[in-house]
Amino acid sequence: KNEVEQSPQNLTAQEGEFITINCSYSVGISALHWLQQHPGGGIVSLFMLSSGKKKHGRLIATINIQEKHSSLHITASHPRDSAVYICAVRMKTSYDKVIFGPGTSLSVIP
Amino acid sequence: GAGVSQSPRYKVAKRGQDVALRCDPISGHVSLFWYQQALGQGPEFLTYFQNEAQLDKSGLPSDRFFAERPEGSVSTLKIQRTQQEDSAVYLCASSSERTGGTQYFGPGTRLTVL
Repeated sequence: KNEVEQSPQNLTAQEGEFITINCSYSVGISALHWLQQHPGGGIVSLFMLSSGKKKHGRLIATINIQEKHSSLHITASHPRDSAVYICAVRMKTSYDKVIFGPGTSLSVIP
Repeated sequence: GAGVSQSPRYKVAKRGQDVALRCDPISGHVSLFWYQQALGQGPEFLTYFQNEAQLDKSGLPSDRFFAERPEGSVSTLKIQRTQQEDSAVYLCASSSERTGGTQYFGPGTRLTVL
């Protein structure tokens, strides 16, 4: 069983739709990251969460530590949101070891 | 530069060749990480440096993989006798206490072994 899982694996949405990507993990963590990766591009950090909720523009990330679950929401989705979204957890180790989920490939159609 | 840089961006190697991938972290970042990302998958941890010390190499898939960071800044990931299964994007990331644990990623090196 993977330590970090994401659902769905692939997602196609119409422009303007509300999108939710889920992440669940099975290890003790100190923080959780949501990352964005465009095809052929580097990885960009969107959020780092250790509790509660964060919002940045049309992106909202929530985490429930007790349930070991996090969600990334995109409101009013746009084609430029098309990318792979990766959930990554920072483990409670002596350094910032990070384990990545498999990613969710999002395609937003105009 | 302001970000993490990696070179080369693309590398094609014949099976059995040795390759060396370079990472220039953000200046002053103590922590440096190497990851391997196969097509359609999330990055997998390879190794971690704190300054010049390699504190964790548990993710290196075989003894053909070797990483170094001799002066605590630039790092090199070397793969000896490359195999087709080594084909992947190799990502480097750096962080420091100032970044609060957020890792900044380079663009990656796409390695294709024929």
